[in-house]
Amino acid sequence: AQKITQTQPGMFVQEKEAVTLDCTYDTSDPSYGLFWYKQPSSGEMIFLIYQGSYDQQNATEGRYSLNFQKARKSANLVISASQLGDSAMYFCAMSRAFFGNEKLTFGTGTRLTIIP
Amino acid sequence: DTGVSQNPRHKITKRGQNVTFRCDPISEHNRLYWYRQTLGQGPEFLTYFQNEAQLEKSRLLSDRFSAERPKGSFSTLEIQRTEQGDSAMYLCASSSRLSGGSYNEQFFGPGTRLTVL
Repeated sequence: AQKITQTQPGMFVQEKEAVTLDCTYDTSDPSYGLFWYKQPSSGEMIFLIYQGSYDQQNATEGRYSLNFQKARKSANLVISASQLGDSAMYFCAMSRAFFGNEKLTFGTGTRLTIIP
Repeated sequence: DTGVSQNPRHKITKRGQNVTFRCDPISEHNRLYWYRQTLGQGPEFLTYFQNEAQLEKSRLLSDRFSAERPKGSFSTLEIQRTEQGDSAMYLCASSSRLSGGSYNEQFFGPGTRLTVL
């Protein structure tokens, strides 16, 4: 069984600062995919970034980067130069399939609030 | 907009009534997923389809829940004899299998919020 742990229920960050959202995972599968989603107050889940378990380099997508440490089983999301629109719930998730084409297991999320 | 759509967006029902939700995935996506999200929690997997075949069901999906995707396009999720514990946001997502080693993120709809009184 797969498990995702997000230990930060809420975070407050000053606008324009960088923020790191923690995520640790547990799985016995040799290959897997890790995802981060953003859920604004409107409720829709928005895909941010993906990391495959065999990827050698950390994933980056614009202001988002994933700090993947396989030995520690962690997949932290880093948001650089935070903006007011980044205020939302953030969920870490994993898939059994390397490419992510199966069910996702989500963590409990971190509520990020950006302070002007 | 050709994203995932869900109807209705909100549903209020009395305990014991049956409800049905509909999900229309992105048109070229062959996989469709249902998740349930309760307040303060992340989404929990319920079931998923590849085309019209239901490939996996969670143990969360009791006998009162049934999902279909009859023609491999839209899907319905029915809850019979609703209970107050069924109150949640029901999320639908879709994805496609891409060639060439690319990953397959799931695209989520806006959800259907169910309130059972």
